[in-house]
Formats: sequence, C-alpha cells, structure tokens
Amino acid sequence: DAGVIQSPRHEVTEMGQEVTLRCKPISGHDYLFWYRQTMMRGLELLIYFNNNVPIDDSGMPEDRFSAKMPNASFSTLKIQPSEPRDSAVYFCASSFTDNQPQHFGDGTRLSIL
Amino acid sequence: SQQGEEDPQALSIQEGENATMNCSYKTSINNLQWYRQNSGRGLVHLILIRSNEREKHSGRLRVTLDTSKKSSSLLITASRAADTASYFCAGSGNTPLVFGKGTRLSVIA
Repeated sequence: DAGVIQSPRHEVTEMGQEVTLRCKPISGHDYLFWYRQTMMRGLELLIYFNNNVPIDDSGMPEDRFSAKMPNASFSTLKIQPSEPRDSAVYFCASSFTDNQPQHFGDGTRLSIL
Repeated sequence: SQQGEEDPQALSIQEGENATMNCSYKTSINNLQWYRQNSGRGLVHLILIRSNEREKHSGRLRVTLDTSKKSSSLLITASRAADTASYFCAGSGNTPLVFGKGTRLSVIA
C-alpha cells in the first residue's frame, strides 16, 4: 500500500513567486496535516483537515499561506508571494483519527532565494 | 499544551550500548507517541502508549509512561548504527499531536 506522497521533493524558486506543494494522503485516512520543519522552530503544525474540511489553521503563519483539500485524495499548500524566510521542509501527514499514529510523506524541501 | 519536549537534545553512544531518551508534556493525554526521523525523510511512527498503560515493548524498544509526572521515556537496547536518527515524542489528547524538537541520537560503530 502506498504511503503519503508529496511533490515536488525539492523546489527552488525566487522570492515573490507562487509555490504550490502537493500531497496525496493514504486512502481511507480521514485526517490530513501540513507541517513545516526548520532547525530553529522544529516541527510546526500549520493546518489540518478532517474529511476534507479545514479544522484548525491557527498555525498558518500569514495570509500568504493557504491550503485546500478539494477531495479525499489530494491537498495543496500554496505560498503566494514566497519569501526567503519560508525556506523549510514541508511535510504532509495523514491518519485515521486525530489520536492515531500519523503517516508522514518524505517532505518537500523548499528554498526561496 | 500536549507538546512533547525531549531530553537530551543530542546523545552519542557506541554501538551495542543502550540509549534512553526522555519526554515531558504539560496537559492530560489519551496516548503518547514516539516517532523516528532519519535524515532527509519524514517521521515514522515507532510506538504508542495509552494513558492507562505504564510500560510497552516493541522489539528493542521499551517505552514507559508516568502520567503523574507527565513524562515518558524511550529505551533502545543494543543500539545499532542504523538507529542513528532524531526521535520525537508527542502527546495526543483534545488536540492533534504537537511535536517537540527531538533528540538527535548518534550511534557510533
């Protein structure tokens, strides 16, 4: 069974550009989470969905960040416009419930120049 | 919060030795989970211990939970070079998991 799939694995772009990160959760998982990981701040929860509905987006740093989940098998995290301080590794994870173990993708390493 | 805070931040041991990592949290939880992250990869779930359990084993892993002290420990016995990774704990309760910054374990062959 395929795990959580994220794309792209690496993204390098110039500041001001729009960045779209993609995630395909594990089939049957009702919860989807987006995280950002940096050395300084560790692993931060940005937003999570239950049955495609955003439940808590209090971790989204600014209005430049937005996330959608149009169906149970796909989610996007968009940054527009991007800034150098957005450089980080972004992870997507999914789980059956919010208390059960989460399954992580291998992340997107984002570099904003 | 249910955020896990791991201690120590870094640990270096020789292959074959045991490694112990500690975790503290601040509010009541339903369960506590430990994860491993290898360099350049996502987190991988290792073990879950429920709030009514005190100890749990899985292979070379032993986890303890003390809800009165709001603390947990992860013991890896007979460590191997392949155990080199970062280890995270996170409590699960009324809100989703909140991870700490992890313990970076280095196992030297």
